Amino acid sequence: DGGITQSPKYLFRKEGQNVTLSCEQNLNHDAMYWYRQDPGQGLRLIYYSQIVNDFQKGDIAEGYSVSREKKESFPLTVTSAQKNPTAFYLCASSPRTGGKNIQYFGAGTRLSVL
Amino acid sequence: RKEVEQDPGPFNVPEGATVAFNCTYSNSASQSFFWYRQDCRKEPKLLMSVYSSGNEDGRFTAQLNRASQYISLLIRDSKLSDSATYLCVVNPMFSGGYNKLIFGAGTRLAVHP
Repeated sequence: DGGITQSPKYLFRKEGQNVTLSCEQNLNHDAMYWYRQDPGQGLRLIYYSQIVNDFQKGDIAEGYSVSREKKESFPLTVTSAQKNPTAFYLCASSPRTGGKNIQYFGAGTRLSVL
Repeated sequence: RKEVEQDPGPFNVPEGATVAFNCTYSNSASQSFFWYRQDCRKEPKLLMSVYSSGNEDGRFTAQLNRASQYISLLIRDSKLSDSATYLCVVNPMFSGGYNKLIFGAGTRLAVHP
């Protein structure tokens, strides 16, 4: 089955802890994205990557870090510097970033603070 | 002004009704437009792209009005399964390099028996 897999589905973070959210895709897409969704708000872009070993900050990158060592994988680390991490995190991919840029989403990870 | 604005709703309609949502966007250079559907606590899924001449997919019709900078989604013969949040999505630029998608906050639809 082709698609985007995010894990875990639910994650709890303790004060001062870094946590990493996994995102894997087998669609052979070049571009990958991380978004954050808060209740009543649109998706906000955290980081994106157009190609392996390259990534760029989105609109709300502070307190987050990413890596893109493989085409299939784009993990997101929520660091202790992110003071309000509770949200629904969505990973997406697209064949490329130009053109229509239709993006496909994983099932998401819900992060809460203990 | 938000880049993409939608009426949050909820729109409460009976089964079989016709319902329409509008969405306005601020960047007149925007080139690509989409409607995504998001069920409660799930990921957004592409419902349909919106083409300049308007397009239809079964009970769903999308239209674009560039002069007034809005897009619309019409749902005919509403089903219970249409209950969801509908996200308006705009690609502000059409050029080489990265094209960022701007997501509206969504319009919630509740279809009741």
